[in-house]
Amino acid sequence: AQSVAQPEDQVNVAEGNPLTVKCTYSVSGNPYLFWYVQYPNRGLQFLLKYITGDNLVKGSYGFEAEFNKSQTSFHLKKPSALVSDSALYFCAVSLTGNQFYFGTGTSLTVIP
Amino acid sequence: SQTIHQWPATLVQPVGSPLSLECTVEGTSNPNLYWYRQAAGRGLQLLFYSVGIGQISSEVPQNLSASRPQDRQFILSSKKLLLSDSGFYLCAWSDRPRGSNQPQHFGDGTRLSIL
Repeated sequence: AQSVAQPEDQVNVAEGNPLTVKCTYSVSGNPYLFWYVQYPNRGLQFLLKYITGDNLVKGSYGFEAEFNKSQTSFHLKKPSALVSDSALYFCAVSLTGNQFYFGTGTSLTVIP
Repeated sequence: SQTIHQWPATLVQPVGSPLSLECTVEGTSNPNLYWYRQAAGRGLQLLFYSVGIGQISSEVPQNLSASRPQDRQFILSSKKLLLSDSGFYLCAWSDRPRGSNQPQHFGDGTRLSIL
């Protein structure tokens, strides 16, 4: 069975500090990996994806993610957090493009 | 550019009443379409997905149904709503002709409250 784990329900970080939101996955085969952000009462917005190639993927709003095949992880990172980054973040994997498996989400709070 | 529209944004319905939520996509053809439910602002539960007109796959047995009468239209329905149907319903699409590595793009959701 395919699954995605986001081990932290809540992450707090001070403004200007680096942030990391963790994601690990368990799938059979080579997955496509995605990060999304959700603001209150809005739909999910696509941030970045890993398909193949360079393990460090750059996305929107200064976010990046590091793919680690041996650890089956795809952690989201940003060098300097902004208060406006406070939101709910979801990791997702897909094998076929028809079905996506989402983590349970991590709530990020950036403290001024 | 592509856009996705969901309506209504909020809906309050009594138990036992019918439901119809609509989602349309513009600026693309032959998309994959999805309905999700999000409970308590957290995890997403895939309800239905569709790879083409009239082709619906159901992921969770429930009193909801979905239809795709046109290429870019996806409708979520119920004949009789239950209290447990309350939640935030999200429609999404992905660009199927471009391949299986395309992300999903979400609408802004419908918040459904059952009284």
